[in-house]
This record gives sequence, structure tokens and C-alpha cells, in this order.
Amino acid sequence: DAKTTQPPSMDCAEGRAANLPCNHSTISGNEYVYWYRQIHSQGPQYIIHGLKNNETNEMASLIITEDRKSSTLILPHATLRDTAVYYCIESTYKYIFGTGTRLKVLA
Amino acid sequence: DADVTQTPRNRITKTGKRIMLECSQTKGHDRMYWYRQDPGLGLRLIYYSFDVKDINKGEISDGYSVSRQAQAKFSLSLESAIPNQTALYFCATSVDRGHSYNEQFFGPGTRLTVL
Repeated sequence: DAKTTQPPSMDCAEGRAANLPCNHSTISGNEYVYWYRQIHSQGPQYIIHGLKNNETNEMASLIITEDRKSSTLILPHATLRDTAVYYCIESTYKYIFGTGTRLKVLA
Repeated sequence: DADVTQTPRNRITKTGKRIMLECSQTKGHDRMYWYRQDPGLGLRLIYYSFDVKDINKGEISDGYSVSRQAQAKFSLSLESAIPNQTALYFCATSVDRGHSYNEQFFGPGTRLTVL
């Protein structure tokens, strides 16, 4: 069973920020939080990861709560090409995927 | 050029046949992984390898075997394919950073259908 829980689906208007939540209440001290996305049936694409601190890269921002039991992936200006299934994973090196959040960006 | 390649991309076979799926990478990563994905579900880990001499079972290794022929090559075999092995199969690689972070890079996938 997946160690993380995510809402099954979300919609977001194009150009607006998409905020995708994830609960990982069983995360241990040395486990990172990773976010991936999968467009159609392509291979999952790495987005971002974090341990304790908030992180930002060219694709997204990751906000991790102080107790590390949940996080939020933020796509600051969603585009139609961001429509995908987004997976949140807590792990050291072995990934356990849940069913993710299906994000639909609407024109 | 793709960093992680998988061959074949699509394969249809019959029950009882032996099938090999191949994965090659040019990223120079030590760690390689095989996953399967069933419709509407997330990926599940079949096998993983941290180097040429290291092979480990994942969540769902029954019915599968692997071979790490070289750092860059990791093959998945179905000795006697059965219909419930019909799925999308992904190979992935990662850098060896010990117990530190470990982002994985995925190949394009192989769609396998067992009739």
C-alpha cells in the first residue's frame, strides 16, 4: 500500500497556480518527499524533492510542513501542458507509488 | 537522444512464451529499476539493482527475473508469460548517493500484451 495519500483529481484554470496536497504522516527522518508527474502513459518525470525545507526549481515549488507530515506542490502558472497525473512519494531509494492526483488544467 | 531507452516499445505475445524487455542507459548511473503499471494505478517495483553484482526483489517479483549485464543494461524476463502480466513496464535509473536523495529517471515504457 502507498504510504502517501493524495486527492484523486483536481482542476485548475490555465495561468493560475495549481496547489497539489499530499499527506505522508508515516514519513521517517531520513525519507525525502519526491514529486513526479506522468503525462498520458509516458514515463514519470521528476519534478522536485525535499527533506525539511521548502524547495523551488524551474518547474515548481515544494512546501513541507514543519512536522513533515504533509506537503504541497505548487505549479505557479499552470498551462495546458501541465495536465497530468502527479505522484507524491516518501522514500529513501525504494519508491512506492500511490494512484496520484489527476490534474486537469482548463483553458 | 534519450538517456534511458527501452526495447521493444510494444510487444504482443502469447501465454507461455518467454519474453525479455531490455533497458539501456547513457546516464552513467549505478542504480537501475524495473516497474510495472496497470491501468489507473501507480507504478509497482519489480526488481532493482544497485550495481552489476547486486539484484534485489521489489514488491511484485513473482513471475519475473532480471539480469544486470553491465552498468548500462538491465533486462527483465518473463519466463512464461501469463495474461495478468499485461501492463506497461518502465525502467528507471538513479545516481548512487547512499542513503541520501535519489531522484529516478524513467524510460519511455514498454507496453506488453499477453494473449
